[in-house]
Amino acid sequence: GAVVSQHPSWVICKSGTSVKIECRSLDFQATTMFWYRQFPKQSLMLMATSNEGSKATYEQGVEKDKFLINHASLTLSTLTVTSAHPEDSSFYICSVTTSGGAMRNTGELFFGEGSRLTVL
Amino acid sequence: RKEVEQDPGPFNVPEGATVAFNCTYSNSASQSFFWYRQDCRKEPKLLMSVYSSGNEDGRFTAQLNRASQYISLLIRDSKLSDSATYLCVVRQNAGGTSYGKLTFGQGTILTVHP
Repeated sequence: GAVVSQHPSWVICKSGTSVKIECRSLDFQATTMFWYRQFPKQSLMLMATSNEGSKATYEQGVEKDKFLINHASLTLSTLTVTSAHPEDSSFYICSVTTSGGAMRNTGELFFGEGSRLTVL
Repeated sequence: RKEVEQDPGPFNVPEGATVAFNCTYSNSASQSFFWYRQDCRKEPKLLMSVYSSGNEDGRFTAQLNRASQYISLLIRDSKLSDSATYLCVVRQNAGGTSYGKLTFGQGTILTVHP
């Protein structure tokens, strides 16, 4: 069964609106979640690392005021794309990792199903 | 130079063929290595980790050459269901209790035809 649930799976919105994407860890408490973005025919690019109870760490070139990340609990992180524009249209994917143990050693991340955003 | 580079392909092979994918990485301090598989419009899924000694999982064999900073994936007896994008993934060593950043290659597209 799914380990990570992401919602919505796809969304179409008008330019200027804000869109919230939820990422839920179903099987374990996730102290750290990662948000990625993938443009067509390109690889996944890490946008930010979301830490429960603290501010997210953003990668260089990612606007923290435009991509708001909230990780209020150990099972939920949200990404809000504020004032979305057509160039923000992309596939947004979250992934989770546990607080330690096997996950860290194997390095495996569990990914959400992804959210395909289309901004008109 | 990209941190992780792959030949984007596409690779078009018949069923039963053997196909090999290559990947190079630029950061010599990279700690862990993986191959992920991504189907069209889906999330990536772990195919296998890559160890220095080389490792095999059924029809899939992964190898790592740290000296050359090179990773490979070999698929034998290709199946139609192997058609996907294969992502080479490298993890940095963040140290302590922190998790190193994962860097994805751009992916290699494989199409297996009847």
